[in-house]
Amino acid sequence: QKEVEQNSGPLSVPEGAIASLNCTYSDRGSQSFFWYRQYSGKSPELIMSIYSNGDKEDGRFTAQLNKASQYVSLLIRDSQPSDSATYLCAVNILASGAGSYQLTFGKGTKLSVIP
Amino acid sequence: EAGVVQSPRYKIIEKKQPVAFWCNPISGHNTLYWYRQNLGQGPELLIRYENEEAVDDSQLPKDRFSAERLKGVDSTLKIQPAELGDSAVYLCASSFSGPGELFFGEGSRLTVL
Repeated sequence: QKEVEQNSGPLSVPEGAIASLNCTYSDRGSQSFFWYRQYSGKSPELIMSIYSNGDKEDGRFTAQLNKASQYVSLLIRDSQPSDSATYLCAVNILASGAGSYQLTFGKGTKLSVIP
Repeated sequence: EAGVVQSPRYKIIEKKQPVAFWCNPISGHNTLYWYRQNLGQGPELLIRYENEEAVDDSQLPKDRFSAERLKGVDSTLKIQPAELGDSAVYLCASSFSGPGELFFGEGSRLTVL
């Protein structure tokens, strides 16, 4: 079982709509969760972090966390063509081989915002 | 403030040849990471340093990969000998402390022929 699961997409939304990106994770003990954006041919950049259950808003972005369901999501309001990218969910997961937490990434969801 | 610097950006080698990648993290960032990203996949951790100590190298293929972090600043990742399956983007990242909010370099794209 993959430790961080995302729907690989592509997810297509019209400009101005809300894009909803979802992620599930396997480790119930995980305490910190991140969303990274990766444009084609570029490296990932951090856009949101969330540590507590509930919602966290930053501009057009809202991260949502439900630890009981082991689920984290990212909402992008008023989607713009410039939001077209791959969105990577990352979770700190206890790695048995290492005995410490590792920031583990999902495969990413490719988002296309159609003008 | 300068970001994470990596070199080279691109490298093409034949299989069985050695290759090395260099990374200079953001000043003051104690934690340095090397990730590998294959096409269509998320980054996978190879090694994490806290200052000059490798605290997590559980996923580093130690038969052919090695890494060092000189004086707790710059780091070098080496592959010897390279195999076809090593073709990927090698990403260096740094953070102030712990496996949290990472800043990535531009990556080094390796092609093994």
